[in-house]
Amino acid sequence: GDSVTQMEGPVTLSEEAFLTINCTYTATGYPSLFWYVQYPGEGLQLLLKATKADDKGSNKGFEATYRKETTSFHLEKGSVQVSDSAVYFCALKKGATNKLIFGTGTLLAVQP
Amino acid sequence: EAGVTQSPTHLIKTRGQQATLRCSPISGHTSVYWYQQALGLGLQFLLWYDEGEERNRGNFPPRFSGRQFPNYSSELNVNALELEDSALYLCASSYGDRGKTGELFFGEGSRLTVL
Repeated sequence: GDSVTQMEGPVTLSEEAFLTINCTYTATGYPSLFWYVQYPGEGLQLLLKATKADDKGSNKGFEATYRKETTSFHLEKGSVQVSDSAVYFCALKKGATNKLIFGTGTLLAVQP
Repeated sequence: EAGVTQSPTHLIKTRGQQATLRCSPISGHTSVYWYQQALGLGLQFLLWYDEGEERNRGNFPPRFSGRQFPNYSSELNVNALELEDSALYLCASSYGDRGKTGELFFGEGSRLTVL
């Protein structure tokens, strides 16, 4: 069945370091791909999305490119801040359904 | 604007009991989604309600059920609780059609512990 695999955390970085959180997916057809973020004490919120191959989603300095050839949607940021500390979830959705399939989440801890 | 609110924040039950969790969507949202987040398993889709009707169901047994009220708030009921039902239950809402874009707005969850 369809699934999402994320790199296990926690990922610990110093402020201003480069961030990559790997995400790969298994799905038939052409899913839409998402990154959601959960800040401490808050609910999940949409960070960025891409709906077709080679699309790049971006928001708040984060970027991810939909790579169909490698079935990947890795999250990147050039210079992380302490305020980026959160749990990041990769997810996919197919067609007109409303069911999001999530990865297990990756905890990012940024130290000053 | 108030976000998605869930109650209770924490709930402790024993095996065999029933649990009821509640969710109020963002004002104007007609769709409500329920997810289970068990340790190490990510978020598993449970149920989707829209305009008072159950529209989609995840791979969970029938003892997981729910409903949506005329004001679009929702209840999730779990009967005959088992130890493995211990998890964080997340509710999300969206506009009826915009939910199809994958943009969901989540509450902070209700943590259910089954002893």
